[in-house]
Amino acid sequence: GDSVTQMEGPVTLSEEAFLTINCTYTATGYPSLFWYVQYPGEGLQLLLKATKADDKGSNKGFEATYRKETTSFHLEKGSVQVSDSAVYFCALKDGANSKLTFGKGITLSVRP
Amino acid sequence: ETGVTQSPTHLIKTRGQQVTLRCSSQSGHNTVSWYQQALGQGPQFIFQYYREEENGRGNFPPRFSGLQFPNYSSELNVNALELDDSALYLCASSLMGSGANVLTFGAGSRLTVL
Repeated sequence: GDSVTQMEGPVTLSEEAFLTINCTYTATGYPSLFWYVQYPGEGLQLLLKATKADDKGSNKGFEATYRKETTSFHLEKGSVQVSDSAVYFCALKDGANSKLTFGKGITLSVRP
Repeated sequence: ETGVTQSPTHLIKTRGQQVTLRCSSQSGHNTVSWYQQALGQGPQFIFQYYREEENGRGNFPPRFSGLQFPNYSSELNVNALELDDSALYLCASSLMGSGANVLTFGAGSRLTVL
């Protein structure tokens, strides 16, 4: 079945550092890929998405490229801010329904 | 445009009891799905409702059931609660047929089973 694997966390960075969060997936079809962010005490918010191979999703300085050959969708940001501290989830959707398959999530803490 | 709202935000139950969680979908959306997020884990798909019928189900037992109403709001019912049912329950709405079918999530209902 479908699965999403995220790198182990947590991750702690200093402000303005470069961020990479790894995500790889297994799917039977041609999934859409997503990054969701969860701030403390809140629900999930869509950060960015990509629907086909080589698409690049971007939002708020974050980027991720759909790499079919490596089945990856790594999240990057060139300069993190304290306000980026949150839990980040990689997810895929494979099919017409709304089922999202999530990774375990990774906690990012950014120090001033 | 109103987002997804869930109620209650927190509740405590004891083993064996039953619980009902409620969700109002985002304006313009016609599909509701429910997820269970255990502490420190990613959300797990419970089921989806479209046109008031269940339209996809994850690996959850029948004591997890749901409803969708004509106004697209939804309920999640869990019978015979177990300790492992303690989790954050997330509702998400979307518009079936809209490209990538992006989900909008509510803030969740945190259930504690004692």
